[in-house]
Amino acid sequence: DTGVSQDPRHKITKRGQNVTFRCDPISEHNRLYWYRQTLGQGPEFLTYFQNEAQLEKSRLLSDRFSAERPKGSFSTLEIQRTEQGDSAMYLCASSLNGGRNEKLFFGSGTQLSVL
Amino acid sequence: TQLLEQSPQFLSIQEGENLTVYCNSSSVFSSLQWYRQEPGEGPVLLVTVVTGGEVKKLKRLTFQFGDARKDSSLHITAAQPGDTGLYLCAGGTDKLIFGTGTRLQVFP
Repeated sequence: DTGVSQDPRHKITKRGQNVTFRCDPISEHNRLYWYRQTLGQGPEFLTYFQNEAQLEKSRLLSDRFSAERPKGSFSTLEIQRTEQGDSAMYLCASSLNGGRNEKLFFGSGTQLSVL
Repeated sequence: TQLLEQSPQFLSIQEGENLTVYCNSSSVFSSLQWYRQEPGEGPVLLVTVVTGGEVKKLKRLTFQFGDARKDSSLHITAAQPGDTGLYLCAGGTDKLIFGTGTRLQVFP
C-alpha cells in the first residue's frame, strides 16, 4: 500500500492553457474524490467516482473542468482554458466504498499556479 | 446545502496552553470527522464521532459531538509545537463536506 499519489506536485501554466492532473488511488479503493483548496480554507468538493462511474459533480464546477476514471483505477482532472482564479491546490482522495464514517485517504495534492 | 463553519479561523498560542476549536452547522449530520493538515500535504483523519453527545479522546485531544449532531468541538490540552496545522471538520454521507478550517500555530 503506497497511499494515494498525485502527479505533478506543482504546475505553473499561463492563462488560457490546458492542464491535466493524475491521481493514483490506493489499489483496492472503489471511491475516488477530487477537491480544490485555496490557502487557509477547507477543501471544496469537485467530483467523485464509484469505480469508473462519475456519480456527482459540483454545481460550482465550470464546464472547463472534466474528470475521468476510465478503468476504475487512476483518474485524471483536466482544466481547459485556465484562468487565474483556477490557482489552487487540487487534492485527490480515495476510500474503500464510500458512505457514512468512511475514512478518506488524501494525496499530497497538485499545486496549480496560473500566471 | 450543508455548511460547516469553524471558529476561530486562526489561533496562535504558546506551548502548554489549552485551546478549543468549534465546528457548527444548521444541518444534522449522521457523523462528523476531524482532520489535520500540514503545509504541502493532504488532510489526515484524526477521529470520527457518530453518536450525539459522544466524547472521544486521542492523547491530548478531546473530541465531542453535540447532542443534536449539528456541532462538534476539538479541545487540545497542553498544546505542543507539533500540534501546529490546519484543523478541519467534515461531514456527509456520499461525499465529505469540509469546514472552513482553523489554522493553529503553537510557539515554543
